[in-house]
Amino acid sequence: GENVEQHPSTLSVQEGDSAVIKCTYSDSASNYFPWYKQELGKGPQLIIDIRSNVGEKKDQRIAVTLNKTAKHFSLHITETQPEDSAVYFCAASIPSGTYKYIFGTGTRLKVLA
Amino acid sequence: EAQVTQNPRYLITVTGKKLTVTCSQNMNHEYMSWYRQDPGLGLRQIYYSMNVEVTDKGDVPEGYKVSRKEKRNFPLILESPSPNQTSLYFCASRVGGGLNTGELFFGEGSRLTVL
Repeated sequence: GENVEQHPSTLSVQEGDSAVIKCTYSDSASNYFPWYKQELGKGPQLIIDIRSNVGEKKDQRIAVTLNKTAKHFSLHITETQPEDSAVYFCAASIPSGTYKYIFGTGTRLKVLA
Repeated sequence: EAQVTQNPRYLITVTGKKLTVTCSQNMNHEYMSWYRQDPGLGLRQIYYSMNVEVTDKGDVPEGYKVSRKEKRNFPLILESPSPNQTSLYFCASRVGGGLNTGELFFGEGSRLTVL
C-alpha cells in the first residue's frame, strides 16, 4: 500500500542554521504533498504544500522541493529560530477514491539558542 | 473563530467501558477524519467521512466506530476500549469531500489512556 518515509526522526540545529527534512513516497500517482507543524500540546497545522506540477515552492524562510522522478520531497527551513522547534510531518495524497493523506512518522526539530 | 473542537481533551478509562470522543467543526467542511498519533508511527487514519452519512475506514479502523449524522459533528466511538487504544487522537476537517487536496484543520487532540 501507500507509504511515506520521513527522515530524520530528530534533528538539532543551532539558531540561524538551516534545517532539512526529507520524505519519500511510494505511490507514483501521488499529486499533493503538504507539510504540517505540530507544536507541543497542539494539533498539527499546515505550513506549506506543493502539487506535483510544481518543483519548488517558497514562503519566507520555508521552502519545499519535489523530485517526482525519485519520488521524494523535502522541507527546508532557513535562518532557524527557537519558535521553529516542533514536530514536523510530511504527507502525500493520491487522486484515487481513498481521499486520504498518508503521513510520515514525524521529525522532532530542536533549534538551540 | 474557525476551529475544530474535540472533547474530552484528556480521559483515563478502564478496559471495556464504552466511550465517545466528540468532534465538531464550524467551517462547514464536507470532509472529516480521525487520526491516532503514536510515538514512532506518526499520524494514522482511523476513519473518514466525505459528507453526511458517508463514512469509510482508514488504515487502522479496528475497535472504532464513527457516525456522521450532521455536517458539523463526527464522533469517534470506542465500544469496548482496550489498552492498545491508548493514544493521542486528532479530529480534522477540510473542504471538498470529493477532492484529495486541501488544508486539513486539526483539533487540539484528545489523550486517551485505557487501563
